Amino acid sequence: EAGVTQFPSHSVIEKGQTVTLRCDPISGHDNLYWYRRVMGKEIKFLLHFVKESKQDESGMPNNRFLAERTGGTYSTLKVQPAELEDSGVYFCASSPLRIQGFSGNTIYFGEGSWLTVV
Amino acid sequence: SQQGEEDPQALSIQEGENATMNCSYKTSINNLQWYRQNSGRGLVHLILIRSNEREKHSGRLRVTLDTSKKSSSLLITASRAADTASYFCATDGWGSNYKLTFGKGTLLTVNP
Repeated sequence: EAGVTQFPSHSVIEKGQTVTLRCDPISGHDNLYWYRRVMGKEIKFLLHFVKESKQDESGMPNNRFLAERTGGTYSTLKVQPAELEDSGVYFCASSPLRIQGFSGNTIYFGEGSWLTVV
Repeated sequence: SQQGEEDPQALSIQEGENATMNCSYKTSINNLQWYRQNSGRGLVHLILIRSNEREKHSGRLRVTLDTSKKSSSLLITASRAADTASYFCATDGWGSNYKLTFGKGTLLTVNP
């Protein structure tokens, strides 16, 4: 079974350009998350989809970031226009819907999309 | 300290030795998970321990959880050079169990 896959794995763009990151979750996982780690900082939550609906986007840093998950399958995260401080690694993760009464919730991460803004 | 803060920040040991990393957190949790990240790679899930569990094993990994002290430890026994990586703990809380809060991680170097 394929894990969480992300594309591109690495991207170098100029300040002011646009970049779109794609994430394919594990098949059947309705929960999809985006996290990011900028240089020297902790891995931070960005947002969470349940199927195609945004459940929580409280971690999105500003309106230059737009995430979509049309059809409830893959997701895209667009940064427009990119700024220098957006450089870092963007992780996508997925998990199945929780079974009521079951408290475990393993979240599986992809390899990350490493973004460098110059 | 940050929620899910690991210590030490860096640990260097010889192959065959055991490595112990600690994680402290501040608020009540639902689950605590440990992840590994090899240099330039993604996050690999190692183990999940629930708030009502005290110890869990997986191969050479042993995780303990002390909710009274709000701390967890990850023990890797008989370490190998391939265990060289950054290790992160991540917590999720009741009512927001999907949102993981990560620490800054422990960089483990296992010297051959």
